[in-house]
Order: sequence, then C-alpha cells, then structure tokens
Amino acid sequence: ETGVTQTPRHLVMGMTNKKSLKCEQHLGHNAMYWYKQSAKKPLELMFVYSLEERVENNSVPSRFSPECPNSSHLFLHLHTLQPEDSALYLCASSQVQGGPYEQYFGPGTRLTVT
Amino acid sequence: EDQVTQSPEALRLQEGESSSLNCSYTVSGLRGLFWYRQDPGKGPEFLFTLYSAGEEKEKERLKATLTKKESFLHITAPKPEDSATYLCAVLSGYSSASKIIFGSGTRLSIRP
Repeated sequence: ETGVTQTPRHLVMGMTNKKSLKCEQHLGHNAMYWYKQSAKKPLELMFVYSLEERVENNSVPSRFSPECPNSSHLFLHLHTLQPEDSALYLCASSQVQGGPYEQYFGPGTRLTVT
Repeated sequence: EDQVTQSPEALRLQEGESSSLNCSYTVSGLRGLFWYRQDPGKGPEFLFTLYSAGEEKEKERLKATLTKKESFLHITAPKPEDSATYLCAVLSGYSSASKIIFGSGTRLSIRP
C-alpha cells in the first residue's frame, strides 16, 4: 500500500448505528487530519492530530469521536448520526516539522445516513 | 481573519482555450500555498507547493505563480481530461500551531 488509504470506501448507516472510519498513511508523516466535504461546500476541517496529539477540534458534534493510536493510523468513530452528516469524509496526512508541508489525501469514505 | 478566496466559482472553456484561475489570500505569516486537483467523489490530488512571492511551478499544461496577495493557476491549451475542481490552500503558523485553510475551489469544465 502506498500513500493514504481509507476504509470503507462507502458506508450506509442508520441513525442509531455505531461505525468507524479508518485511515492509514504510508508516507512517514507526523500529522493527520479528518475533513468533511458536503456537496457544493468547501472542505471543512474536523480534527487535527499533530505528533499524535489532538491539536484542533473545530466545534465538531460529539457524535464524531476521533482516535489516533499512532502516527500512521487515524480513526473516526461515528454514533447516532443525523442525515445532514451524509458527506464525503476525507483523511489527509502531512509533515509539520522540517517540511515539505503539503497534505496528501486519501480517496475518501462516502457516508450516507438514513 | 485569515481567508482564502478562489475565483471564478466555475469556468467553462473550449478545448485549447487557455485561461487562469485565481486564489487570493489574507493570512498572517504565509508558509506555503498549495494547489490541488479534485475529481468528483475522490480525494484531492496534490499539484504544487509555492513558498515565496515570485516563485513559479509547472507541470504539463499547468503553471502556478505566487505574489504577496494571490496565486494564479494558468492552464495552457487545456484538454477535456483537465476538467476537475481545482483547490487552493494556504499554510500559516508553525509545528502544532500550524493551520491550513482551503478555498472553495474552481470547477473547471473543458468542452471538446
């Protein structure tokens, strides 16, 4: 595997389900990110982990819970979601020390909440 | 307040018709400006990083330039396969305090 991978690629869940999204980066980066992308809206940064420490949480509802067990893996735990949470969820990674600093994205998980 | 604005929102060109996309920014302490290409339903694909005013980067039909207030993505003689949304992002701050802000993107459509 190379780059940034995400599983599953598609997910349909009911409002009472609990599911998790997984992201893995194979680039040796030290920061990982979760973004939400809804139709016709810009990327919304949800969470940032830098050097395995959560450094940003942009007023995201508590039904989204991130976990970063090490610098290569990132999870987004989902529970009691709402239909408006349906979107493309993107994971990215980058370097925050020493550069280069560009983010590399995974293919995304298309989430549909019914 | 830090801000990134892309224009136009959408651009339709004929194959071979050159044009430019704009990304204007207001950030304190720019450390880098990035351009991405995003196809529908996929993650953004990294294209270029520009670090300082006057810098230019090229890749095939794309050329990115940077001034102190804005960046341009010039597309020369585009082909239908260049159709995508092009995103611009700026990086400010250092280490765990670094912040990246994305623009809303320009949807580019190239007609054969």
